[in-house]
Amino acid sequence: KAGVTQTPRYLIKTRGQQVTLSCSPISGHRSVSWYQQTPGQGLQFLFEYFSETQRNKGNFPGRFSGRQFSNSRSEMNVSTLELGDSALYLCASSSGQLSYEQYFGPGTRLTVT
Amino acid sequence: AQTVTQSQPEMSVQEAETVTLSCTYDTSESDYYLFWYKQPPSRQMILVIRQEAYKQQNATENRFSVNFQKAAKSFSLKISDSQLGDAAMYFCAYRSGDTNAGKSTFGDGTTLTVKP
Repeated sequence: KAGVTQTPRYLIKTRGQQVTLSCSPISGHRSVSWYQQTPGQGLQFLFEYFSETQRNKGNFPGRFSGRQFSNSRSEMNVSTLELGDSALYLCASSSGQLSYEQYFGPGTRLTVT
Repeated sequence: AQTVTQSQPEMSVQEAETVTLSCTYDTSESDYYLFWYKQPPSRQMILVIRQEAYKQQNATENRFSVNFQKAAKSFSLKISDSQLGDAAMYFCAYRSGDTNAGKSTFGDGTTLTVKP
């Protein structure tokens, strides 16, 4: 099976702009989770989607939003970008079943200038 | 809220030797899962090993094994016969068994250096 793919891999944006990141999970996986990774804060959970519904949400402001499509692909959107949003954004997929094993994509490196 | 603590920011080991990475967690739940993930410099996070809280037997995957002490809320990772390719950042993670509370909480990571 193909692994989790994320596009784009690198992105440079300016403060105030918005950005959309995409994640394609492993075929057959219905759960997609998003994480923000920074040197100072480590790995922080953003949200999880399962069968097109947001199932869990982390403690991030409303500027961070996401959605999941019927084919399980997910997008994450950040509006009104701030310098502090510079991070590696990781997507992880899982079958959604009890094992909860997550398989991560390579990440999208977002730089806000 | 659950917390995961990795008290060793950095560890080093000689090639072919054994190293143990520590992880403690705090939870009031009885049903949960614990994981160790490896993140090499290329940044792709890889699942190393998984432990279900209801299982008393420690999980093992080839050279990787865990010491799961449920009462002490400890979940350490032992890497035997360390190889250069084991050099990476290792994250300990907790996941609730409750689907609706199921975000994964990660520790801050331990950077492992393997010396030839």
